[in-house]
Amino acid sequence: GQNIDQPTEMTATEGAIVQINCTYQTSGFNGLFWYQQHAGEAPTFLSYNVLDGLEEKGRFSSFLSRSKGYSYLLLKELQMKDSASYLCAAMDSNYQLIWGAGTKLIIKP
Amino acid sequence: ETGVTQTPRHLVMGMTNKKSLKCEQHLGHNAMYWYKQSAKKPLELMFVYSLEERVENNSVPSRFSPECPNSSHLFLHLHTLQPEDSALYLCASSQGTGPSYEQYFGPGTRLTVT
Repeated sequence: GQNIDQPTEMTATEGAIVQINCTYQTSGFNGLFWYQQHAGEAPTFLSYNVLDGLEEKGRFSSFLSRSKGYSYLLLKELQMKDSASYLCAAMDSNYQLIWGAGTKLIIKP
Repeated sequence: ETGVTQTPRHLVMGMTNKKSLKCEQHLGHNAMYWYKQSAKKPLELMFVYSLEERVENNSVPSRFSPECPNSSHLFLHLHTLQPEDSALYLCASSQGTGPSYEQYFGPGTRLTVT
């Protein structure tokens, strides 16, 4: 079956770095997405990886290893506004997104 | 503002009621989606429309009925729902349905079935 695993909750300190991991098993693979969702709001797109390696976008970076079925989202210089849920989603061979349940990130001062 | 709007934002309905959720996208996208989001569960894809044609129906109960009259509008008609259907219903759109096309989400309709 198809499955996405990511931690349920993580806590980090303002100004620090946090890495949110995601492992996936899908029928075929057409890329890995990360979305951010603040409480009570819509998910918003953060990144897309289809090739192995690290993609950097400001304070956020996303990494993909296709051979390991693994991705992570790296958040640097954490700010209080980064408190949110982070959703990992893999696109399968039918171009459907298979979603993880999300990682709730709590930032403490 | 993501360019995708949903109404109503909150809805309480009885099990015998009929109601509709509305979604509108102002992005010129060709694909639209309905998702169900329950607490601490992954997003569940319900329906996908591409160029107004339904391309995916993930075994959704018939008490949910989608309608896509044009590429900018999407409806979800609800009837004889069950309490377990209470959830956040999210609409999304994308330029296409292939790889790399990110989806833009609306704020959702919080549905409570009593």
